[in-house]
Amino acid sequence: GQQLNQSPQSMFIQEGEDVSMNCTSSSIFNTWLWYKQEPGEGPVLLIALYKAGELTSNGRLTAQFGITRKDSFLNISASIPSDVGIYFCAGPHGSSNTGKLIFGQGTTLQVKP
Amino acid sequence: DAGITQSPRHKVTETGTPVTLRCHQTENHRYMYWYRQDPGHGLRLIHYSYGVKDTDKGEVSDGYSVSRSKTEDFLLTLESATSSQTSVYFCAISDRDRVNTEAFFGQGTRLTVV
Repeated sequence: GQQLNQSPQSMFIQEGEDVSMNCTSSSIFNTWLWYKQEPGEGPVLLIALYKAGELTSNGRLTAQFGITRKDSFLNISASIPSDVGIYFCAGPHGSSNTGKLIFGQGTTLQVKP
Repeated sequence: DAGITQSPRHKVTETGTPVTLRCHQTENHRYMYWYRQDPGHGLRLIHYSYGVKDTDKGEVSDGYSVSRSKTEDFLLTLESATSSQTSVYFCAISDRDRVNTEAFFGQGTRLTVV
């Protein structure tokens, strides 16, 4: 079945450093979504990608839809303490048009001031 | 923030008891979803609804049932709670009448079955 694999599983970085994480799949996706979850909260949508090769930014965050449609990347520039959280990639589940999502396992980011 | 309210936010219950979690939305979105979140698994879909009285199973539906009698409310019921259902449960909504496929999440319900 469909599966999304995120790497790395966790990162512990110094404030000011850039961060890169990725998400891969064995099957093709037509949409890639990146969410951030802070402790005790639900996931919040950061960036949505709808076209292969698309590069989209949201402030210090930049995400790319891989050309093969089997991967996506999220970069965070000049990290700050409030970037702490779990970052999830997600894509449409199956071929049905019902908005169901499949999620990666998440990348936990910790930032040292 | 999307208008999604989950209740209760926290609950401790005993094995074998029934439990109902509620999700209420004020966005008039057609689609609603229940996910559970467990360490190492990300979020997994339990059930979803594509309209009033229209529901279907997700990937981890065993032991759960849902109901949607009104557009704004989506209930998740554990008929007889088990320890394996200890988890954080998230409700999400989506407006599939638009082009985008984003889902918006509630704040979650932490359920502990003892």
